[in-house]
Amino acid sequence: DAKTTQPTSMDCAEGRAANLPCNHSTISGNEYVYWYRQIHSQGPQYIIHGLKNNETNEMASLIITEDRKSSTLILPHATLRDTAVYYCIVVSYNTDKLIFGTGTRLQVFP
Amino acid sequence: DSGVTQTPKHLITATGQRVTLRCSPRSGDLSVYWYQQSLDQGLQFLIQYYNGEERAKGNILERFSAQQFPDLHSELNLSSLELGDSALYFCASSVRWDNENIQYFGAGTRLSVL
Repeated sequence: DAKTTQPTSMDCAEGRAANLPCNHSTISGNEYVYWYRQIHSQGPQYIIHGLKNNETNEMASLIITEDRKSSTLILPHATLRDTAVYYCIVVSYNTDKLIFGTGTRLQVFP
Repeated sequence: DSGVTQTPKHLITATGQRVTLRCSPRSGDLSVYWYQQSLDQGLQFLIQYYNGEERAKGNILERFSAQQFPDLHSELNLSSLELGDSALYFCASSVRWDNENIQYFGAGTRLSVL
């Protein structure tokens, strides 16, 4: 499984865009990038995923570099409720088990 | 609400005991996964079942076992419990098992071994 590297923590002002980076330099061509988040001790929540094109949904946007070695999750207008640990996960072909790293702890402040 | 139901929410037991955690997947989901989250190990994949059959195994201890029943609900059995088994146990479900597949997580069972 491709390993991911994320900053340990980030801060963001409420109402501003939160940009969370992730490095996955060993990603293979058929591996997807997934983002989940965990608010306090709740169950992880799916945010978005992509293969090579940029993706957008009602929660966030995912920007994947052309070489696929890194990606950025964008929360366009962060709210206090977005304070959570964000996990960037590369999922191997022919499986879907999620290997969680340590993630990025995003703190949104008023 | 993810649609995945886990019971019980909290469980307190003693070392050496055995417990069973239960998971009801979202309607229509055939895959069930179990994850353990402890303070020192983070979120770890334990085991996956797909339509009643074991599909993938992670770092699951031999003292732990799981099964998925014909109605697709799943149970995780933890035996000979040790203090270090205290953790949050999450169940997730999904429709399929390939890598373009979203997992939906339950609220978890908090196990405390005293």
